[in-house]
Amino acid sequence: DVKVTQSSRYLVKRTGEKVFLECVQDMDHENMFWYRQDPGLGLRLIYFSYDVKMKEKGDIPEGYSVSREKKERFSLILESASTNQTSMYLCASSSSGSLGTDTQYFGPGTRLTVL
Amino acid sequence: QKEVEQDPGPLSVPEGAIVSLNCTYSNSAFQYFMWYRQYSRKGPELLMYTYSSGNKEDGRFTAQVDKSSKYISLFIRDSQPSDSATYLCAMKLVGDGGFKTIFGAGTRLFVKA
Repeated sequence: DVKVTQSSRYLVKRTGEKVFLECVQDMDHENMFWYRQDPGLGLRLIYFSYDVKMKEKGDIPEGYSVSREKKERFSLILESASTNQTSMYLCASSSSGSLGTDTQYFGPGTRLTVL
Repeated sequence: QKEVEQDPGPLSVPEGAIVSLNCTYSNSAFQYFMWYRQYSRKGPELLMYTYSSGNKEDGRFTAQVDKSSKYISLFIRDSQPSDSATYLCAMKLVGDGGFKTIFGAGTRLFVKA
């Protein structure tokens, strides 16, 4: 069974704090993704990575950065958290066997509140 | 205009009803169509995956794709309270520049016992 784990289920931070969200997958997947999920807006891609040390911007990268130093781990960083970054953050991973048919496996999500 | 439109619901049905969930899309380049189910406080999990126009059946679930109308549907037969969840459609295109997946906003479904 594929397992994608996220470091925290719930997180409360103050405006201006630096926030790290960690994601680990155990299936040796090449691709990893960070989404945020907001009511009425669905899942929006923040960043993704298709290999170690590689990253690509998604649809809403502003205010975020990422790090992929090891294949199994993909970190999302909020350099200076703001209240509009209060959201559910979901990590996902997939293999590159066939880009069209790869399934994304999601973690349980981290609900971040920025006060 | 959003690339993928999905009615957020909520949709409430009695147990045993047939449920129809729908998404429309604007980009005719989408090639792959998925339905994910997301239970409360969990991440989405893949439910159905289709490539071509037509129907694909898996137990009580049927995914339907109409590329000419840019419309996809998920039908749930004999709905159960355990089907209560948010259902997200997703669409993917694969090109020279890589791939792109767009998710719908999700429809919340409640099945009453």
